[in-house]
Amino acid sequence: SQKIEQNSEALNIQEGKTATLTCNYTNYSPAYLQWYRQDPGRGPVFLLLIRENEKEKRKERLKVTFDTTLKQSLFHITASQPADSATYLCALDLTGGGNKLTFGTGTQLKVEL
Amino acid sequence: DAGVIQSPRHEVTEMGQEVTLRCKPISGHDYLFWYRQTMMRGLELLIYFNNNVPIDDSGMPEDRFSAKMPNASFSTLKIQPSEPRDSAVYFCASSLAKGVLNSPLHFGNGTRLTVT
Repeated sequence: SQKIEQNSEALNIQEGKTATLTCNYTNYSPAYLQWYRQDPGRGPVFLLLIRENEKEKRKERLKVTFDTTLKQSLFHITASQPADSATYLCALDLTGGGNKLTFGTGTQLKVEL
Repeated sequence: DAGVIQSPRHEVTEMGQEVTLRCKPISGHDYLFWYRQTMMRGLELLIYFNNNVPIDDSGMPEDRFSAKMPNASFSTLKIQPSEPRDSAVYFCASSLAKGVLNSPLHFGNGTRLTVT
């Protein structure tokens, strides 16, 4: 069956370092992949979308890579700050229809002073 | 832009009672999604609408769950009768007419449902 895997263990890093989160998926080759941020008690907030023909996408301190051969996306936050502490979710459409996003369970990031 | 508005924010009810969750999507968004989030299963898509029409309800867990979208600015998710295992945070999200491929989801802040 289709599956999206994110590291369930929290990632603790020091302020100023680069955080790298991983999203792996099985079987299907999605046309795109999205990353969201979720803070406690709030809904997920969209961060970045990367398409299958794009190897890398950047937005300010954020960078996403998409390797369709490895079936993996990496999400990087450079010069991390305590305000970056949150849960980060990857999401993709495993059906091919274009409108049915399936989310990974998310990785909690804690940036410490 | 007020964003997606959900009500209530918290709902505590007893097993067997009917629960109705409400959602107002962002104006101009033609897609509306209902998700459920639990620690064990993460975010699960329950149902989604396009132009007020239900397109895919394969994620609705049981007949006890029903969703409606009577107009472009309002949707409800109803659970009748509710059970303790329905306890979760229920999110509503909307996106533009181009679909999720080109337009991301905008989520509300959810309704935390507790069924005792």
